[in-house]
Amino acid sequence: EVQMVQSGAEVKKPGESLRISCKGSGYNFSSYWIGWVRQMSGKGLEWMGIIYPADSDARYSPSFQGQVTISADKSINTAFLQWSSLKASDSAMYYCARLSAYCRGSTCSGRFEFWGQGTLVTVSS
Amino acid sequence: DIHMTQSPSILSASVGDRVTITCRASQSISAWLAWYQQKPGKAPKLLIYKASTLESGVPSRFSGSGSGTEFTLTISSLQPDDFATYYCQQYDNFFTFGPGTTVDI
Repeated sequence: EVQMVQSGAEVKKPGESLRISCKGSGYNFSSYWIGWVRQMSGKGLEWMGIIYPADSDARYSPSFQGQVTISADKSINTAFLQWSSLKASDSAMYYCARLSAYCRGSTCSGRFEFWGQGTLVTVSS
Repeated sequence: DIHMTQSPSILSASVGDRVTITCRASQSISAWLAWYQQKPGKAPKLLIYKASTLESGVPSRFSGSGSGTEFTLTISSLQPDDFATYYCQQYDNFFTFGPGTTVDI
């Protein structure tokens, strides 16, 4: 059974750094893209970026490029989403998901098949 | 960038109703469209991909159709468990989610 398990809720202050995680199990972790999706309170879903754990090839949405860093450690079947300096506007629920996807050249295509339970990030002074 | 719209944004319905949600893309995406269901406090769940292919385990009352720029999600007979928010997502060129349609009583 494929499972994506995310780290727990975080409460941080503006300017602090944060890394949240997403552990995949039940499949060959290296062979599937993993994506991160933001959902602000009461709002819709926004794709942030994806990563291919086998070679750590990461692609970012233009809206999030430079704002976050996506990484993966295939030795522990875990992907990460990282901020170096949080803002109050980063407060949201963050989901990881395993994709059925491929990337060809400068574009990628795929669906978000298996989702984690979400990690709530609250940034407040 | 490909922009997605959905209509209606809110749909009031009753158990047993046939429900249709429309999703439109700003340019042709062939059949590269998925639908997701999200219940309050839960992660989204994939229902349909490639516009009309039902994900494993999803009840057959859900169906999808369309190609190019216009797509529909249909629930043939609404069940109590179906009251939720539904999102479309294009994956012709990276990924874009629609704004969502909430189905409520």
